[in-house]
Amino acid sequence: AQRVTQPEKLLSVFKGAPVELKCNYSYSGSPELFWYVQYSRQRLQLLLRHISRESIKGFTADLNKGETSFHLKKPFAQEEDSAMYYCAPISGGSYIPTFGRGTSLIVHP
Amino acid sequence: EPEVTQTPSHQVTQMGQEVILRCVPISNHLYFYWYRQILGQKVEFLVSFYNNEISEKSEIFDDQFSVERPDGSNFTLKIRSTKLEDSAMYFCASSVTAYGYTFGSGTRLTVV
Repeated sequence: AQRVTQPEKLLSVFKGAPVELKCNYSYSGSPELFWYVQYSRQRLQLLLRHISRESIKGFTADLNKGETSFHLKKPFAQEEDSAMYYCAPISGGSYIPTFGRGTSLIVHP
Repeated sequence: EPEVTQTPSHQVTQMGQEVILRCVPISNHLYFYWYRQILGQKVEFLVSFYNNEISEKSEIFDDQFSVERPDGSNFTLKIRSTKLEDSAMYFCASSVTAYGYTFGSGTRLTVV
């Protein structure tokens, strides 16, 4: 069965610390992976798409097919990074992303 | 920057009543979606809509749900007879292609 797992419900770090939000997927074929972010009282917005291989707001994510992971990373967290982060793969001929349960990132001053 | 607009932001309805959630997608977008998020749970796909018909729907999207694009600008989600478990945040999204959604800010539906 296709599944996306974000094992951490909450991740709490101090400003300037490195951050890694984990995402593991169980999909057949070659999924396309996305990270979405939802800041407090704001709408869901696309943060990263793996095939674009770009860095947005200092975040990067590498697709590791061997480990079936797509972890989101940032070397130095900022307070404004505090938000809910959702990993969302697409696969199997569908264009519909399946959202993980989300990880709440809290960056303390 | 263009936005997806959802109204109302919060709707309270009695169990068994019909409710219509409204969305105005971005004008040149072709794909439209509804998602919901029950409090404390993950964002769940309900339905996608393209070329004036449903292209995909989830198991959640049963006969109580319907979608419509009545006038070329609005995209509505109707729940015919609401249940307590329909209480959730409902998100509309649209996209030009099949990827890269723009989400609305959501409608919080409370069924009492």
